[in-house]
Amino acid sequence: DADVTQTPRNRITKTGKRIMLECSQTKGHDRMYWYRQDPGLGLRLIYYSFDVKDINKGEISDGYSVSRQAQAKFSLSLESAIPNQTALYFCATSGRGQGANNQPQHFGDGTRLSIL
Amino acid sequence: SQQGEEDPQALSIQEGENATMNCSYKTSINNLQWYRQNSGRGLVHLILIRSNEREKHSGRLRVTLDTSKKSSSLLITASRAADTASYFCATVTSSGYSTLTFGKGTMLLVSP
Repeated sequence: DADVTQTPRNRITKTGKRIMLECSQTKGHDRMYWYRQDPGLGLRLIYYSFDVKDINKGEISDGYSVSRQAQAKFSLSLESAIPNQTALYFCATSGRGQGANNQPQHFGDGTRLSIL
Repeated sequence: SQQGEEDPQALSIQEGENATMNCSYKTSINNLQWYRQNSGRGLVHLILIRSNEREKHSGRLRVTLDTSKKSSSLLITASRAADTASYFCATVTSSGYSTLTFGKGTMLLVSP
C-alpha cells in the first residue's frame, strides 16, 4: 500500500462547484503539504501544516482552503472551482525529528483535476 | 516565484551515457534536494545536499553544490532507459522552515 494516498486520482467537474481532494498518510509524519503542478511551471506550494493545529499559506493559496482533520489526514478544498485551477495536485509529507528542515518530502501520486 | 531553475529544459541521450543537469537558485539555502518524477506519478526524493556540503554520492548519482555561484548539478552515470523521467531541484531557504521551492525541471529521455 502507498504511504501517501490521494483521492480521487482523477476528477472532472464544472466551474463553480465545490471540490475536496483528500490525502492520507501512514508514514507517521507531522508535516503535510499541498502543491499544484502546471505544465512548464514545476510545483508550487498551496498550503502546509506542521501539526494538527497548524495551517500555513503557501505561495498560491488564493481560491483554496485546507483542513487537517488528524495527523494522518490533510484535505484541500476548492470552494468555487474555476478553469485556471485545472492542474495536477500533489500531497506530500515530511518528518519532524532532529533536523526537520533537512528531511525529504514523500509524495502521493497526485490528483488530476479538470474544471470545465 | 521559482527559486530554482534547471538547465537544460530537456535532454536526450543514449543508454550508457552520462546525464548532467544543472540548477541555479536565487537566495541563501539551508539545503538543496533533487527529485525524480516519472510520467503520471508523484515525485520521488533522490538526494539532499546541505549548504555546508560540496559533493554527495548515491549509487549512480552525484550531486555537487557551489553556494558561491548558487548552483548545483546532478550527474547520472551510465544512464538506463528506466532513468527516463523529469528531474527537479528544490531548495529549503535559510530563512524558511521545511518548505520546498521547486524549479521547473529537466525532462530526461534515455533511448535504448
